[in-house]
This record gives sequence, C-alpha cells and structure tokens, in this order.
Amino acid sequence: QSALTQPASVSGSLGQSITVSCTGTDSDIGGYKYVSWYQQHPGNPPKLLIYDVSVRPSGVSDRFSGSKSGNTASLTISGLQAEDEADYYCSSYTKRINTYVILGGGTKLTV
Amino acid sequence: EEQLVQSGGGLIQRGGSLRLSCAASGFTVTSNFMSWFRQAPGKGLEWVSTFYSGGGTYYADSVRGRFTLSRDSSKNTVSLQLNSLRDEDTAMYYCAKEISVAGHTYYGMDVWGQGTTVTVTS
Repeated sequence: QSALTQPASVSGSLGQSITVSCTGTDSDIGGYKYVSWYQQHPGNPPKLLIYDVSVRPSGVSDRFSGSKSGNTASLTISGLQAEDEADYYCSSYTKRINTYVILGGGTKLTV
Repeated sequence: EEQLVQSGGGLIQRGGSLRLSCAASGFTVTSNFMSWFRQAPGKGLEWVSTFYSGGGTYYADSVRGRFTLSRDSSKNTVSLQLNSLRDEDTAMYYCAKEISVAGHTYYGMDVWGQGTTVTVTS
C-alpha cells in the first residue's frame, strides 16, 4: 500500500482536461510545499513534470499544472494529446523517520 | 546536458550480491542529492535510498542493512551495493538527481538514468 493515494486510472478525450489527485497527510503533502509529479511512459524512466507543487521545469509543456489544497495535491493536464497517455506519479517530502520521499501508487491515464 | 548512465544489474541468486553504478555527466554527484528508486514488474515507483551532498545517507526500511550507497568523486559516479538479495528486490532500478535551484533542493528528481534490471532467482 502506497503512502500517497492516487486513483488507479483516469481517462479523457483528445482536447479535454483531466485532473489526477494525490492525497496524503499533514506529515507530507499538507505540511510542506515539496510535491512533485512525474510522467512515465512504458519502458522509460520517469520524467519530472512539476516540482514545488506547481513549478514546471524548463521544457515541460504549460498544459501541465499542479496545485495543492490541504492534504491533497492535484495534477491537471489540459488539451489532452495522445502522447499524454502514460502513468503519473506524485511524490512528497515527508517528516516520517528514515524516509526521504514518499510516492503515490501511480495513475494510468488513458486518452 | 546533464545525464546519468547506469550499469550493473542482471540475474542473481537469492541471497547473493550485486553492484549498481550510475555515472553522471554535466554535473557533479558530490554537489547534488542523488537517489535510487526501483519499480517491481507492473508496479509503481518505490524510493530506495538517497545520498545527501554532504555525504549523509537515507535508506528505506525494506533495504536498510542490506543495501549500501557509495560515491566516487574521481569517476563522478554513485553506486548501490545490494547484498542479501530477496525475491522482492526484483525490479528495475533507477538512479536520479534531485533538482536544485539557486542551491535549494526541492525533493523532485529532474535527471534519471535509463534504469537497470535486477532479477533475483531461486
């Protein structure tokens, strides 16, 4: 069982917007701004999409956006494209002892 | 361009040992936080271990006492020694560099290695 809770799957049509949620606790998402999101296509390593809750690294499309409210972080993808079909993972700093970051179980996006 | 190239891994018997290496280019491993993650077949990502730039280390409970991080500044590499391997250690292992902006780290990984497979057999 993953420390952060994500829906197993979401789906959307080309051009639509979808949101992936990631729920934690006061000890991780709720207490800090260190939430990251990754995209992973089959057979490839993860790619950083968002860090610091809502900051996009250079080169990441502005169709990807992040936010946080309380203990839940969200990734929104607007203008869905076929290549957005992938697995998405959230990650957060945690104050748990002997744990550096915790991850969600991943969400499969079907376009 | 910042890049990580992994080596090592393979088939290993239960209880055996392996060493995974991760060679960096475009940045210095000793100046960055470096982490290892793994992904069991068909499963999600799992954090394994992190090397602080200052030399401190963190290990997940599932590997503490069996896995050991090291780094070689002359080769600009980080390595993960895997001992007493168990069936549940079978996974793709990734090394990754933590994003750092103006000297501040953000617990997000912006550079990833290509991954290397570890398969524990009986």
